[in-house]
Amino acid sequence: KNEVEQSPQNLTAQEGEFITINCSYSVGISALHWLQQHPGGGIVSLFMLSSGKKKHGRLIATINIQEKHSSLHITASHPRDSAVYICAAHNTDKLIFGTGTRLQVFP
Amino acid sequence: DAGVIQSPRHEVTEMGQEVTLRCKPISGHDYLFWYRQTMMRGLELLIYFNNNVPIDDSGMPEDRFSAKMPNASFSTLKIQPSEPRDSAVYFCASSLLGRQETQYFGPGTRLLVL
Repeated sequence: KNEVEQSPQNLTAQEGEFITINCSYSVGISALHWLQQHPGGGIVSLFMLSSGKKKHGRLIATINIQEKHSSLHITASHPRDSAVYICAAHNTDKLIFGTGTRLQVFP
Repeated sequence: DAGVIQSPRHEVTEMGQEVTLRCKPISGHDYLFWYRQTMMRGLELLIYFNNNVPIDDSGMPEDRFSAKMPNASFSTLKIQPSEPRDSAVYFCASSLLGRQETQYFGPGTRLLVL
C-alpha cells in the first residue's frame, strides 16, 4: 500500500463541471503540496497546506489532519485545467508523492 | 526572474556514457531539490541541498549517481556510467526557507539512455 494515495487515477469532465480529487496519506506529515503537471511536462506548485483550506481562483484545497485526507476542488472546470494533479506529503525528511490524477476536461 | 533553469532539455546517450544535468535555481533561494519522474515510480526525491550543502541524499538510487552544488547559483547531477533504466525526466526545484515552502520547478531534462 502506498503511503500517499490519490483517487481517482483518471477523471474526465465536461467544461463547467465541479471536480474533486482526493489524497489520503498514512504517514505523519507537517505539510501537504498539490502540484499540477501540464501535458508538456512542466510542474507548478499550486498549494502548500498544513491545515484548513486555501483558495486560489477556481482552485480550492482542503486538508483534514485528523482524517489524513486532502482534497483539491476545481470549480467551473475548463479545458485548460486538463493536466495531471499530484499530491505530495512532507514526512520528516522525506517528500512522498502520490501517483497523480490525470484530468481531462472536454469543451 | 527567469525561474529555475535546467540544461539540457533533452539528452540522448548510449549506455555506459557519463551524463551531466545542470540546474540554476531562482536567485535568493537557499534550497535546491533534484527529482526523477518515471512512468513506473512517478516523482521521487533524489537529493536536496540547503545553502549548497547536501542534506539528504537517501533517494539517490546508487553510487552511479552524484550531485554537487559548488555555489548558490549552480548544481549538477551526474550519472556515470549511465544505464537504460536511468531513462526518465529529471526535475530541479528551488525554494526559499525550506521544503515546507512552495517549490518552483524547472522545465526538466528528458533523458534517454539507449
